[in-house]
Amino acid sequence: QVTLKESGPALVKPTETLTLTCTLSGFSLSTYGMRVSWVRQPPGQALEWLARIDWDNDEFYSPSLKARLTISKDTSKNQVVLTMTNMDPVDTGTYYCARMGMVRGVLYNWFDPWGQGTLVTVSS
Amino acid sequence: IVLTQSPGTLSLSPGDRATLSCRASQSFSSGYLAWYRQKPGQAPRLLIYGASNRATGIPDRFSGSVSGRDFTLTISRLEPEDFAVYHCQQYDSLPWTFGQGTKVEI
Repeated sequence: QVTLKESGPALVKPTETLTLTCTLSGFSLSTYGMRVSWVRQPPGQALEWLARIDWDNDEFYSPSLKARLTISKDTSKNQVVLTMTNMDPVDTGTYYCARMGMVRGVLYNWFDPWGQGTLVTVSS
Repeated sequence: IVLTQSPGTLSLSPGDRATLSCRASQSFSSGYLAWYRQKPGQAPRLLIYGASNRATGIPDRFSGSVSGRDFTLTISRLEPEDFAVYHCQQYDSLPWTFGQGTKVEI
């Protein structure tokens, strides 16, 4: 069974750096075709894709947040880590990690499945 | 690509048919659009990919279609668990983007 689980601080102060971890189960990010993204959702607002990392270490970022984001993976721990610098109250929301789609060996960029999400509040 | 979902809220009853719309700011012939259902307090779940393909385990009351820049999700008979928020997402080009969501309420 494929599952993902996010973890990290529930509260960060403005200007601090956020570090979130996504622990994978049921698949390995070292396997061909495996890719994991981070998506966030401010309260009551739309979903926003943030970043993606691939089995072959390719990285992709949302242009609007690229300067603040770093995505990385620890294959030995089967984890994906997202860091976001200079946090602001507008960054408050639920942060999800999700695996990217693949059908019969062809890679697609939908998200399935998702982790349960972790709520991050930015406040002093 | 900006996705605009309508209506913002749909008020229906169990057993009703629901029709949700997602309009793209530009056309993409790939048909690379997905639909998700998000129940309160839960993560989104993939329903449809490639505009019209049901994901694994999704019942056949869910269907998707496309006409030009307009994508439609139809739920033929609403079940209690279908009262939720629905999101569309394009994966034709980076950055992948979502619509603002349609809430289906009782």
